[in-house]
Amino acid sequence: GAVVSQHPSWVICKSGTSVKIECRSLDFQATTMFWYRQFPKQSLMLMATSNEGSKATYEQGVEKDKFLINHASLTLSTLTVTSAHPEDSSFYICSATQGNNSPLHFGNGTRLTVT
Amino acid sequence: ELKVEQNPLFLSMQEGKNYTIYCNYSTTSDRLYWYRQDPGKSLESLFVLLSNGAVKQEGRLMASLDTKARLSTLHITAAVHDLSATYFCAVEVNAGGTSYGKLTFGQGTILTVHP
Repeated sequence: GAVVSQHPSWVICKSGTSVKIECRSLDFQATTMFWYRQFPKQSLMLMATSNEGSKATYEQGVEKDKFLINHASLTLSTLTVTSAHPEDSSFYICSATQGNNSPLHFGNGTRLTVT
Repeated sequence: ELKVEQNPLFLSMQEGKNYTIYCNYSTTSDRLYWYRQDPGKSLESLFVLLSNGAVKQEGRLMASLDTKARLSTLHITAAVHDLSATYFCAVEVNAGGTSYGKLTFGQGTILTVHP
C-alpha cells in the first residue's frame, strides 16, 4: 500500500537552531501535503497545506516565517522550524494525497524536542 | 468555524463489554474518518465514511455516519486489551474542491480496556 515516510523520526535540537523535517510519498505523487502538530495528550492541529509548486497556505495563528514549508516536487515536502524554542517541542505529522477521491495517507511522525 | 467534538474523552472498559464513542461535528461534511493512535506513534486509519447511512465494520469495531444529525459513532464490541489506544474522528470539509484531505480532528478518546 501507499506509504508516506517522515525523516527524521525524532530530533533533539538546541534553542535558537533550525531543524528540517522531510515528508516523502514513496509510491505515489502527492499533489497536496498537510502538516499537523500534536502537543502531548492533545489532538492534531493543522498547521498548513502544501501544494506542489506553490506557496503553502497556513492556518490562522501559525507563523509562516517560523515554519517554512517547501513542496518542490510531487514526492517531497519539507517543514523547517526556524529559531526553535522549547515551546516548539511537539510531534509533527504530515499527510499526503494525490487529490480528489484519492486516499489520504499519514506519515510516521517526527518528535521534536528543543532544549 | 468547523468544530468536531468527541465523547467520552476517557473510556475505561472491561474486556468483553460493548461501548460507543460519539463524534459530533458542526457543519456539513464530505468525509468522516476514524483513526487509532498508539502512544508515541502516528495515526492508523480505521474507517472512511463517505455518505449518509454508511456503516463499516472491521473486527470488533464498527463505524456509522448520520450526516443529517452530523454524528458518527464508533462501536466497540466485546472489547479486548489490544484495543487500548486513543481514537480520533476527523472531518473533511471540501469547499469547492479546494480543501480535499484537509481534516479537523476531534479531541480524541483515550480507551483503556481492563481484564
